[in-house]
Amino acid sequence: DTGVSQDPRHKITKRGQNVTFRCDPISEHNRLYWYRQTLGQGPEFLTYFQNEAQLEKSRLLSDRFSAERPKGSFSTLEIQRTEQGDSAMYLCASSLVGGDLSHGYTFGSGTRLTVV
Amino acid sequence: AQKVTQAQTEISVVEKEDVTLDCVYETRDTTYYLFWYKQPPSGELVFLIRRNSFDEQNEISGRYSWNFQKSTSSFNFTITASQVVDSAVYFCALSEADSGTYKYIFGTGTRLKVLA
Repeated sequence: DTGVSQDPRHKITKRGQNVTFRCDPISEHNRLYWYRQTLGQGPEFLTYFQNEAQLEKSRLLSDRFSAERPKGSFSTLEIQRTEQGDSAMYLCASSLVGGDLSHGYTFGSGTRLTVV
Repeated sequence: AQKVTQAQTEISVVEKEDVTLDCVYETRDTTYYLFWYKQPPSGELVFLIRRNSFDEQNEISGRYSWNFQKSTSSFNFTITASQVVDSAVYFCALSEADSGTYKYIFGTGTRLKVLA
């Protein structure tokens, strides 16, 4: 068990470019979450997968954002036509069904995106 | 509406002092879960504790203790004999069972600085 891995750790991109982040959850975890954290704020929910199905998306997830979890394993979060307001830490977390309630999620270290 | 308020933005204490971090929540659900997470400078959120709405028993784990009071909608966290390694941002979070996703609503966090 190597924990939740996120790649890259840091990304600097020019406004208007597309970026893609990857999250590798703990292998036996069937739930996967994406959160966004801006400076001085708590993480905000973006979207949630159970296995390969995306079951909920926040209104924060505009049509420039898309997330996938093919085969219920790793997940990707893509942002198209990035804007400066997209600059944030993007956190991935995973858990087992029922695990949310007793042990919380396991979070990755996040991908810090800076849009210049 | 669901909301978590951490009114203390930053607290500084001298090592070995006790410190209490406040958390007040709002929810209309009768079944919900409350969490505390620690976010050290590395950025990864570390699970500390979970409490469900039916269990108001306070909990102690080493130097950490938690006081859950439904009457005041509070879930406060006390660190006894603080240490420099306790320096981090601490987040309180709420998860409502009715949502089905068990997504978290985080507070804005309290930055704790423990000075040697």
